Amino acid sequence: DSGVTQTPKHLITATGQRVTLRCSPRSGDLSVYWYQQSLDQGLQFLIQYYNGEERAKGNILERFSAQQFPDLHSELNLSSLELGDSALYFCASSVGGMGYNEQFFGPGTRLTVL
Amino acid sequence: DQQVKQNSPSLSVQEGRISILNCDYTNSMFDYFLWYKKYPAEGPTFLISISSIKDKNEDGRFTVFLNKSAKHLSLHIVPSQPGDSAVYFCASGGVYYGGSQGNLIFGKGTKLSVKP
Repeated sequence: DSGVTQTPKHLITATGQRVTLRCSPRSGDLSVYWYQQSLDQGLQFLIQYYNGEERAKGNILERFSAQQFPDLHSELNLSSLELGDSALYFCASSVGGMGYNEQFFGPGTRLTVL
Repeated sequence: DQQVKQNSPSLSVQEGRISILNCDYTNSMFDYFLWYKKYPAEGPTFLISISSIKDKNEDGRFTVFLNKSAKHLSLHIVPSQPGDSAVYFCASGGVYYGGSQGNLIFGKGTKLSVKP
């Protein structure tokens, strides 16, 4: 158990809909990262927040947005969903803001868009 | 454009033998390298890391080797155990990547099967 929690575990929705994925980092970690893993793909970095502020952005679509709240939990919002958005979404956390240091991953949320 | 490549999607090894997983990277600005292990239905778990000032780091049965001139790193597992069967991801990062603070770039993973 990494100490990072993600809800929900599974999400099934239809094209055009909007969903919110939630992540609680390990106690004491200030950074939260979001990754997408599609079929046969590695982990694609989406976005990083550090202590409530956006720190780095990766291959995140404009239809996607995220935020980190004062209690440090984070939410990833995916809107106007398309079939290709079906993937595993992982959240990770780390103590510091340096994104290349060791990150602890949650169990992921499996999103299925029908 | 894949900056971190794991060219072997799968590897099968007999229990007790050595497992060698390989990873190549293209960005010379990467200065920190990590290996993660992932079991089905779980998130990746950090295994071992190495910074660019070293060429070897060892932790129990796991050793990571870094060849900076070849932009290549490898993970050795000796001896391999059936419980090591998982997908292994190589990840690279650095302080400066594309002009901004670096984040981890992951390879696509290698599925290791250790047969009893």
